[in-house]
Amino acid sequence: DQQVKQNSPSLSVQEGRISILNCDYTNSMFDYFLWYKKYPAEGPTFLISISSIKDKNEDGRFTVFLNKSAKHLSLHIVPSQPGDSAVYFCAATRSGNTGKLIFGQGTTLQVKP
Amino acid sequence: DTAVSQTPKYLVTQMGNDKSIKCEQNLGHDTMYWYKQDSKKFLKIMFSYNNKELIINETVPNRFSPKSPDKAHLNLHINSLELGDSAVYFCASSQEARGHTQYFGPGTRLTVL
Repeated sequence: DQQVKQNSPSLSVQEGRISILNCDYTNSMFDYFLWYKKYPAEGPTFLISISSIKDKNEDGRFTVFLNKSAKHLSLHIVPSQPGDSAVYFCAATRSGNTGKLIFGQGTTLQVKP
Repeated sequence: DTAVSQTPKYLVTQMGNDKSIKCEQNLGHDTMYWYKQDSKKFLKIMFSYNNKELIINETVPNRFSPKSPDKAHLNLHINSLELGDSAVYFCASSQEARGHTQYFGPGTRLTVL
């Protein structure tokens, strides 16, 4: 069973506009969430994270929102840039766990100039 | 200098062969991981080691055996390779066993013919 789901395989936005990537999870024990970015032929790179005690975390152009009641999180990129074109993975874990991250299947973002 | 490195980057081999993938991190981290990304793009954890001690061992066939000679290295040995082992294998590391921010290597694409 897939505990972390990214239901949109791809997303295309215009440069300068907002990109919104979504992620849903089913395990209510998850309390820490991360977004990773991956370019072709490279490993995933950590982008931003959020603890379940918060509902928003912001880092520059990237903001992650967490809705615990809906078991949903989203990543907002504003403004989007062509260099943001990559695959974005959502991941979840339980604090105090052994570091086991459960990943979604990724969303491919294309930012058009 | 590359933080987490893997060799080789590509590996093509015949069914039934035994192969190894090497991973090294120069971040001074205590914990290292192996992930498998299958054809459906899901990233799934296979193993993790903390200070050379195995702490995560998912339901992976016995043909897969991780070996950690020191905390900076975590190698993956695969015996009697099967077609279904074809995937991209990522090594990662984190500061501690419960460290949520994991740093990934570039991946090794294994193709079993």
